[in-house]
Amino acid sequence: ETGVTQTPRHLVMGMTNKKSLKCEQHLGHNAMYWYKQSAKKPLELMFVYNFKEQTENNSVPSRFSPECPNSSHLFLHLHTLQPEDSALYLCASSQVEQGESRYTFGSGTRLTVV
Amino acid sequence: AQSVAQPEDQVNVAEGNPLTVKCTYSVSGNPYLFWYVQYPNRGLQFLLKYITGDNLVKGSYGFEAEFNKSQTSFHLKKPSALVSDSALYFCAVRGTGFQKLVFGTGTRLLVSP
Repeated sequence: ETGVTQTPRHLVMGMTNKKSLKCEQHLGHNAMYWYKQSAKKPLELMFVYNFKEQTENNSVPSRFSPECPNSSHLFLHLHTLQPEDSALYLCASSQVEQGESRYTFGSGTRLTVV
Repeated sequence: AQSVAQPEDQVNVAEGNPLTVKCTYSVSGNPYLFWYVQYPNRGLQFLLKYITGDNLVKGSYGFEAEFNKSQTSFHLKKPSALVSDSALYFCAVRGTGFQKLVFGTGTRLLVSP
């Protein structure tokens, strides 16, 4: 266990479904991140939350909606997804004030859109 | 803006041989450099980091990396590869202050028996 827990580990959803990915960190960090990892593509940063405030949205389609209710929890709400959204979604956390602070990653949610 | 280049998509090495996975970076100011490893269907695991000090950094599982400021490189090395080292390796960099960590595209390491 890394201290960052993602659920579920696997998710299959239809294009008309609504689902949510959950991330929880037990490290006392104050920044959290969502990344998308697709086959044969670079790691894509989707959203950054710094002290619960969203500080970055890297042109992510509106069918992905993040939520950060507190510094320990991060959600990614999904609706009307497309097959190309199938990927491994990774959550990470870090301590903002410490530039040398490493990111700690969860094990990811493997999402398949059918 | 900071960036990372991993010029090799894949590195093949025989078990017992030394391995090198290359990384070059671009950042304003002093860099914070990291290596992560990813096994199939898992998240990224921290291997080692360079912040300041000795240019040779030692990390987990016998890996080390050498910081070279003049060549802006941070190559990952291991003296003797194991089959279990086969995985996807990511180099990452961030500058001083709150800047997000920027990852390279990853290098797949394949160690053959």
